[in-house]
Amino acid sequence: AQKVTQAQTEISVVEKEDVTLDCVYETRDTTYYLFWYKQPPSGELVFLIRRNSFDEQNEISGRYSWNFQKSTSSFNFTITASQVVDSAVYFCALSEAGNQGGKLIFGQGTELSVKP
Amino acid sequence: DAGVTQSPTHLIKTRGQQVTLRCSPISGHKSVSWYQQVLGQGPQFIFQYYEKEERGRGNFPDRFSARQFPNYSSELNVNALLLGDSALYLCASSPSRQDNYGYTFGSGTRLTVV
Repeated sequence: AQKVTQAQTEISVVEKEDVTLDCVYETRDTTYYLFWYKQPPSGELVFLIRRNSFDEQNEISGRYSWNFQKSTSSFNFTITASQVVDSAVYFCALSEAGNQGGKLIFGQGTELSVKP
Repeated sequence: DAGVTQSPTHLIKTRGQQVTLRCSPISGHKSVSWYQQVLGQGPQFIFQYYEKEERGRGNFPDRFSARQFPNYSSELNVNALLLGDSALYLCASSPSRQDNYGYTFGSGTRLTVV
């Protein structure tokens, strides 16, 4: 079964704090892709990162970093020195290479609130 | 370059009515996917169309249908609307059927069924 779990429904931090958003996935495929998207109040899903199942290197992009661990089926997202503009709902998503039609399976999302 | 555009942005319909939502993909993108996002939940996959053919379908009733035109734009139709169809409907485009570089989403159409 394919499933993405984001156990944290809401997180509230004060500006400049570091925050980690958790994502755990389930899949039977050996080839798959993991994504993180940001959804601001405007509704548009903004692409942040894609990682394939054969690339377990962690990635850093500015204040954002991602930790992919196949052993625990996790793909966690850390924001360093959070800012008010980071406030949004963040979604983790899974796409299996063997599926039909490029279907993305999303988690429930984590609503991040960064207070000044 | 224009991103993925969806119209209308907001819509209010009555139960039992029919609705058509429209999506224009990024220029050069041949794949369009539709998602339904109910308030407080993650998006759920409805359809993917690639080269004007349905390539994938999610677990939605036959009241939901879609098509893709020669210019790769797409329409999503929902018949016999139910209150539970109230949601944000998102369209995503990608260059190919199985995009490995992330799907680009539009801002969505917020449908309210009363």
